[in-house]
Amino acid sequence: GAVVSQHPSRVICKSGTSVKIECRSLDFQATTMFWYRQFPKQSLMLMATSNEGSKATYEQGVEKDKFLINHASLTLSTLTVTSAHPEDSSFYICSAQGSGRETQYFGPGTRLLVL
Amino acid sequence: QKEVEQDPGPLSVPEGAIVSLNCTYSNSAFQYFMWYRQYSRKGPELLMYTYSSGNKEDGRFTAQVDKSSKYISLFIRDSQPSDSATYLCAMSGDTPLVFGKGTRLSVIA
Repeated sequence: GAVVSQHPSRVICKSGTSVKIECRSLDFQATTMFWYRQFPKQSLMLMATSNEGSKATYEQGVEKDKFLINHASLTLSTLTVTSAHPEDSSFYICSAQGSGRETQYFGPGTRLLVL
Repeated sequence: QKEVEQDPGPLSVPEGAIVSLNCTYSNSAFQYFMWYRQYSRKGPELLMYTYSSGNKEDGRFTAQVDKSSKYISLFIRDSQPSDSATYLCAMSGDTPLVFGKGTRLSVIA
């Protein structure tokens, strides 16, 4: 099956700092990657969709200047949370989709805690 | 009406029981239907994928899609404590996946 990795799995940072999360598709080329956010006992909330080599498309209410997404290659997308604040603490999950595929394969998630 | 409705549970069953999980939806353009399993503090794992209407079986899991009723189901036979997780339905047409809120399942030994 398709494997998607995320790094780091957990990060604790001080308020005001920036945090970068990497998402990699290990055994297939991901033409599209998605970034989700999940609060405890809540469902996944789509933040943005990114296609390789293009600017990301952000969902309504998601600040594109705060959540910077880069999808520079067919196997790597990054999410940078800039000037993080405690309310940004959450579980961030990426998923990847290859061309011609309708399914998404998820990474294991990154737990962010902003102090 | 939300695009995808899923009872959040929690659902608690004894080991060995047959579990039925369901979602309803309103968008008739949906053609691809998936079930994901998510353990606590982990990313969702794809369990079943079905295109259009019909049934699909994989081991103890059976997925059913009834497009006429806009209703999908996941059945788990001989449930095990290791099946305890949150199960999310997801579907799409020509748009990104739309998820249900997830049903929390506990299988008690």
